[in-house]
This record gives sequence, C-alpha cells and structure tokens, in this order.
Amino acid sequence: AQKVTQAQTEISVVEKEDVTLDCVYETRDTTYYLFWYKQPPSGELVFLIRRNSFDEQNEISGRYSWNFQKSTSSFNFTITASQVVDSAVYFCALYQTGANSKLTFGKGITLSVRP
Amino acid sequence: DAGITQSPRHKVTETGTPVTLRCHQTENHRYMYWYRQDPGHGLRLIHYSYGVKDTDKGEVSDGYSVSRSKTEDFLLTLESATSSQTSVYFCAISDMRIGNEKLFFGSGTQLSVL
Repeated sequence: AQKVTQAQTEISVVEKEDVTLDCVYETRDTTYYLFWYKQPPSGELVFLIRRNSFDEQNEISGRYSWNFQKSTSSFNFTITASQVVDSAVYFCALYQTGANSKLTFGKGITLSVRP
Repeated sequence: DAGITQSPRHKVTETGTPVTLRCHQTENHRYMYWYRQDPGHGLRLIHYSYGVKDTDKGEVSDGYSVSRSKTEDFLLTLESATSSQTSVYFCAISDMRIGNEKLFFGSGTQLSVL
C-alpha cells in the first residue's frame, strides 16, 4: 500500500518569508512519480511539478524549489520570498505505476501568506 | 488546459435520491479518475478507469458506482445519496505516456445532500 503524509496542516507566514512544505511518502514500488498540486481559493487543482523515482535532482522554478530525497522518502517544496498569491492548499501526491495506475494524495497543507 | 469538463458544477439533492455526475474529456486519455475532497482528508480516490469498461475501486468506493462506455465519458453514480456524500467531486484524466506523466483535473462538482 502506498501512503503520503503531509504532517503540517496549516502554515501562516508573512509576505517575503521563505516557507517549506513537507511531504513524506511510502511505497514498495521502485518506479513511481511524485507530484505537487496547488489549490487556490477558487478551487481548481493546478499542477506544479512531477518527479520520477529515478531522478533525484532538485528543481528550481522561479521562487519554487523542490528537494527530493529517496533516502528519507521525502519530497519537500520550498517557496522563497512568499507572496499573498501563494496562499492556497498544497497537495503532495504519489503515483503508482503499472496496469492499475492511480494517484494517492496527502491531506494537504493550507498556506496563508499575510501582507 | 486539458479538455476536461465536469457536469453539473453544483447540485443539491435529497437523501435517498440517485445522482449521476459526468466527466467528459476531449484528450482521448486512457485513464480517468473520480476523487472526493473533504476537509481534513485531502483528495480520496473513489473509482478509476484504465480503459473502456475497465474500472476498479479506490479507497472510498462504498455507495458509489461508475461506468465508462466510451473513452471520453466517465460517470459517477450515487445510487441512493446520503448526507455523508456531501463533498466536492473532482474528475481527473491522464495518459501517463513516458515523459508526460501527469493528471489533469476538472473544475469540480459541489454536491450537497440534504
């Protein structure tokens, strides 16, 4: 069975602070994918990043960066110099490959960025 | 944006009535999924489909059934709606081709069972 744990439920920061959202996963598969999605107050789910299990390179996209560590089964997401528009619920998810592929989500982290 | 449409967007119904939610895609993707989102639970998989007439249960499938008679449509049915099924329902699609592995989500359906 696979599982995604987002231990932080709510985080509140002041604008321009850096913030890290934690994600820990469990799987027995050797091939899998990890995702982060953003859900702003409008409700849609916005894809942010995908990482496969064979690629442990960290990634940076503007103010966003992701740290993937297989040794600790973690895929953490950092927002640098946070902005009010970053306020949203952020979900980490694990994709199980194979014939019956499916995506398992964590419970989400509500991030509030105050001006 | 991926061509995925959920209908209806909002629905209010009474306990005991049947309800069907529709997910329609124009991407010809093989995989389709139904999730429900509830506070404190994140998104939980109800049912999914990996091809026409090929479906399987997710973690919260009790009280729900699905059908996929065409690639483009995936229907979620609540045979007899209960108040515990009040939720936001999201449909998702993916093809998971190598190098293009990602899920696209519809805009969601807010279902209220009174």
